[in-house]
Amino acid sequence: GEEVAQTPKHLVRGEGQKAKLYCAPIKGHSYVFWYQQVLKNEFKFLISFQNENVFDETGMPKERFSAKCLPNSPCSLEIQATKLEDSAVYFCASSQIGKYQPQHFGDGTRLSIL
Amino acid sequence: DQQVKQNSPSLSVQEGRISILNCDYTNSMFDYFLWYKKYPAEGPTFLISISSIKDKNEDGRFTVFLNKSAKHLSLHIVPSQPGDSAVYFCAAITTSGTYKYIFGTGTRLKVLA
Repeated sequence: GEEVAQTPKHLVRGEGQKAKLYCAPIKGHSYVFWYQQVLKNEFKFLISFQNENVFDETGMPKERFSAKCLPNSPCSLEIQATKLEDSAVYFCASSQIGKYQPQHFGDGTRLSIL
Repeated sequence: DQQVKQNSPSLSVQEGRISILNCDYTNSMFDYFLWYKKYPAEGPTFLISISSIKDKNEDGRFTVFLNKSAKHLSLHIVPSQPGDSAVYFCAAITTSGTYKYIFGTGTRLKVLA
């Protein structure tokens, strides 16, 4: 598609439950990025993919967070055993291959942990 | 360690006047800079960018200026319109060691009619 599609728009989970977020990048874009935005502050980088391969995962809290981008499927970000501090808006972005290509963002998934 | 800083959380400007949004960075390895605009409940949208080898880039009402020696960039919007009211984020790209965007904390611009 022509837009980055993130689902669901809002996800509510009890503390300790699992949360799974999805992202369909723009067709033809090779890079996918996940960001966490807490309290409308800066975008904290989590992980990036080049096609289905992890490109950079230096921002991922590895104990509970995992992500995948499989061929012919939306990318996913999964949080196991959620904590209150995981409450945030999670944005996905995609970009074309090539240096300095602008990232195109989805509208985010608001995750609320109760 | 905030490598990209937007020190003004908010800015109000009268319609028709110039809006100037500022951004400072600390890492001299950044070689490309972008500005994004964000409306509530939407993702950021790309606005304008500038390479570190340039000092100015213009696109319609939007101009970005880069002062490498001061590690400072600014976004000028002239004339400002009510529809420009949004949160503006600057971002810097580093390709040193990896390929990553570093975002600032944003400035909320309000254009008053």
